Amino acid sequence: DVKVTQSSRYLVKRTGEKVFLECVQDMDHENMFWYRQDPGLGLRLIYFSYDVKMKEKGDIPEGYSVSREKKERFSLILESASTNQTSMYLCASTPWGGTPRSEQYFGPGTRLTVT
Amino acid sequence: AQSVTQPDIHITVSEGASLELRCNYSYGATPYLFWYVQSPGQGLQLLLKYFSGDTLVQGIKGFEAEFKRSQSSFNLRKPSVHWSDAAEYFCAVVPSGTNDYKLSFGAGTTVTVRA
Repeated sequence: DVKVTQSSRYLVKRTGEKVFLECVQDMDHENMFWYRQDPGLGLRLIYFSYDVKMKEKGDIPEGYSVSREKKERFSLILESASTNQTSMYLCASTPWGGTPRSEQYFGPGTRLTVT
Repeated sequence: AQSVTQPDIHITVSEGASLELRCNYSYGATPYLFWYVQSPGQGLQLLLKYFSGDTLVQGIKGFEAEFKRSQSSFNLRKPSVHWSDAAEYFCAVVPSGTNDYKLSFGAGTTVTVRA
């Protein structure tokens, strides 16, 4: 069964802290994504990765960075957390199959609060 | 500009009644179209998708969607709603004719089911 896991369901951090959000998928997927979800805005893409050590900016990359050292793991990093980064963060993956039509599989999300 | 619009922020429906959620898109060519559902505290799950062919698409959990090119719409329907259908629903698109894997989401529609 397909599985995407995220390291924490809930996280509370202080302003200025460095924050790591981890995502692991067990499906051998090439593509991985980080979204943030805010009420009234839907999901917005922060970063994505097509392969190990490859990354591309999404629509809202400011204040974030990512790391993909292994195929199954994609980390989102908040270098210096700010209160406007309080949000739900969702990770997703999809296989590289020559088609953009493949389903994206989502993790359960991490609700991050920055105080 | 390319966009995905879900005009209804919140819909309340009685259990057993029918449900229709609206989705409109603005893209040069017909994109690949998806509906996802997010139950409380969960990640997103794919309900159905449309790429080409029959404009009426069947999905999981008794949902269906109809693609109407003339209206640039992809509305989701269910004939008889169950209490477990209370969730947030997202319409999403991927541009066609590219190798772009990035999903663009609408703002979401929250469905409340009353007994």
